[in-house]
Amino acid sequence: GAVVSQHPSRVICKSGTSVKIECRSLDFQATTMFWYRQFPKQSLMLMATSNEGSKATYEQGVEKDKFLINHASLTLSTLTVTSAHPEDSSFYICSARDSHTDTQYFGPGTRLTVL
Amino acid sequence: AQRVTQPEKLLSVFKGAPVELKCNYSYSGSPELFWYVQYSRQRLQLLLRHISRESIKGFTADLNKGETSFHLKKPFAQEEDSAMYFCALSGSSYKLIFGSGTRLLVRP
Repeated sequence: GAVVSQHPSRVICKSGTSVKIECRSLDFQATTMFWYRQFPKQSLMLMATSNEGSKATYEQGVEKDKFLINHASLTLSTLTVTSAHPEDSSFYICSARDSHTDTQYFGPGTRLTVL
Repeated sequence: AQRVTQPEKLLSVFKGAPVELKCNYSYSGSPELFWYVQYSRQRLQLLLRHISRESIKGFTADLNKGETSFHLKKPFAQEEDSAMYFCALSGSSYKLIFGSGTRLLVRP
């Protein structure tokens, strides 16, 4: 089946620094990718929709200047957490939509810890 | 408002017992409903979707538009079914709205 990878799988950074997370669709092209945030023992909260070649669409309450999304190719979307703070610590998960099967495939997630 | 409700945080059953994980939704329109499963230390994966009307790993789910429900059922639970189950809906924009999840624990 289709595979979506994320890199890194975990990252620890100091408060005030920026962190970039990559999401790749390995064997299909994805014009649309999604970024989610999952708090411990809670559900996935959609942060934004990433569209190849255009600006991302952010959900209400998500700061677009804090969570920068770039979708420059059909197989790669990046999420940059700028000026990270401890409250940004979370599990970030991406998904990529395969338009041929109309199915979203999820990455394994990235655990971000901001000290 | 778009919303998915899974009322049970934890459902514990014995092996061989029937299982029903509840899911209710709120959406103005015709959504597509899904069940996703997350096994321990693994990524989220699609279990089934209502338009397929298929049975995966013995699980079935029927969309009841009158009750706005999409409950997941399995007649005989197995230990390997223990996992986190998420109900989700998708509208016209392909965005997925997830429920809070139900942890299914199947005891031997």
